[in-house]
Amino acid sequence: DAKTTQPPSMDCAEGRAANLPCNHSTISGNEYVYWYRQIHSQGPQYIIHGLKNNETNEMASLIITEDRKSSTLILPHATLRDTAVYYCIVRVAGTGNQFYFGTGTSLTVIP
Amino acid sequence: GAVVSQHPSWVICKSGTSVKIECRSLDFQATTMFWYRQFPKQSLMLMATSNEGSKATYEQGVEKDKFLINHASLTLSTLTVTSAHPEDSSFYICSASKRFARGYSNQPQHFGDGTRLSIL
Repeated sequence: DAKTTQPPSMDCAEGRAANLPCNHSTISGNEYVYWYRQIHSQGPQYIIHGLKNNETNEMASLIITEDRKSSTLILPHATLRDTAVYYCIVRVAGTGNQFYFGTGTSLTVIP
Repeated sequence: GAVVSQHPSWVICKSGTSVKIECRSLDFQATTMFWYRQFPKQSLMLMATSNEGSKATYEQGVEKDKFLINHASLTLSTLTVTSAHPEDSSFYICSASKRFARGYSNQPQHFGDGTRLSIL
């Protein structure tokens, strides 16, 4: 699976949009981009995933560049409860295929 | 939907004992489940892939005789830490993906809330 690079930490003001970048320059054509977050002492929570089109759900939006070498997770109106470590993972589709976690981005939402 | 439950949520035991952790998919069937370990302030490390009805596949450096995995049904996988020692103290997390007939899916993995293991 392709390696991802994320900034180690970011701050965001409460109520503002949080834009979390992820670089996956070696991604292959059949690898999806997944985003998870982990709040302290809990299991990771699924946020969103996509292949090449932008995606939106009730939690966030995922913007994937046309060359698919990077993506951005957008939390439109960050709240204090969004403070967590956010992980970007790329993986080939398939229920038996593993996720390998990188170091993620620690997002702190500031009141 | 897609709820994964782990039990127990935390356990404290003496060095040398064996500890079993259960991972259940409550509202879906999972042909494959995964086990991770996470040390403080570190990321999740994949330990093994648990396949229903067959042997687990372990990541490099993970001792299969130390971490016994059983996946006897489509909704239950267990991880047994045998003869646990203080260095095995960690946060253990499982995940599962919904089973699809063709075995091909981009569906995400769903994670349990983890088990915090402390060995004295």
